[in-house]
Amino acid sequence: DAGVTQSPTHLIKTRGQQVTLRCSPKSGHDTVSWYQQALGQGPQFIFQYYEEEERQRGNFPDRFSGHQFPNYSSELNVNALLLGDSALYLCASSLQGVYSSPLHFGNGTRLTVT
Amino acid sequence: ILNVEQSPQSLHVQEGDSTNFTCSFPSSNFYALHWYRWETAKSPEALFVMTLNGDEKKKGRISATLNTKEGYSYLYIKGSQPEDSATYLCAFEYGNKLVFGAGTILRVKS
Repeated sequence: DAGVTQSPTHLIKTRGQQVTLRCSPKSGHDTVSWYQQALGQGPQFIFQYYEEEERQRGNFPDRFSGHQFPNYSSELNVNALLLGDSALYLCASSLQGVYSSPLHFGNGTRLTVT
Repeated sequence: ILNVEQSPQSLHVQEGDSTNFTCSFPSSNFYALHWYRWETAKSPEALFVMTLNGDEKKKGRISATLNTKEGYSYLYIKGSQPEDSATYLCAFEYGNKLVFGAGTILRVKS
């Protein structure tokens, strides 16, 4: 039973560039959430995708966008990268409508913006 | 603005010591409180999801309690082992998202 997989593991980009991060959810899950973990902080909610639509969004600018595909996998896109976007990006999967259940996380993508 | 606070920020203990951490969260509009263990270079792993006031959960040497009326949860580790070294995160479930604390880093020396 495959867990949550994320790619790439590490990424180095320059300010102003654009980046795409990918996530495949745990088998049987239909909902993908993205979190950003900056140094010294807990993960912060970016947004959640279900049925190929953004369902909920955290306090992140429009430079952060996403997509969910029919196979439930998801992409996180960040445009016009800033130094402050350097962080670990975590993907988590779950089943829509099932509350109070643990999220299943991937190992994350470490993004460095220089 | 929802605020989840964890203390202490970090903890260094000797093998065999028992330890505990605190998570404080908003006491209104409570749905659930999550605890995760996050080892270096791995993904966060769920320990407990707690929903009821007074709830107590146990998994091996690790246990947790929940007080939703005053907005806090304790995580206890009995007889710490080096393999318990990790960051312990708590998260308040709010709608479809989790609001995380900054975590408590535990280092257990053998």
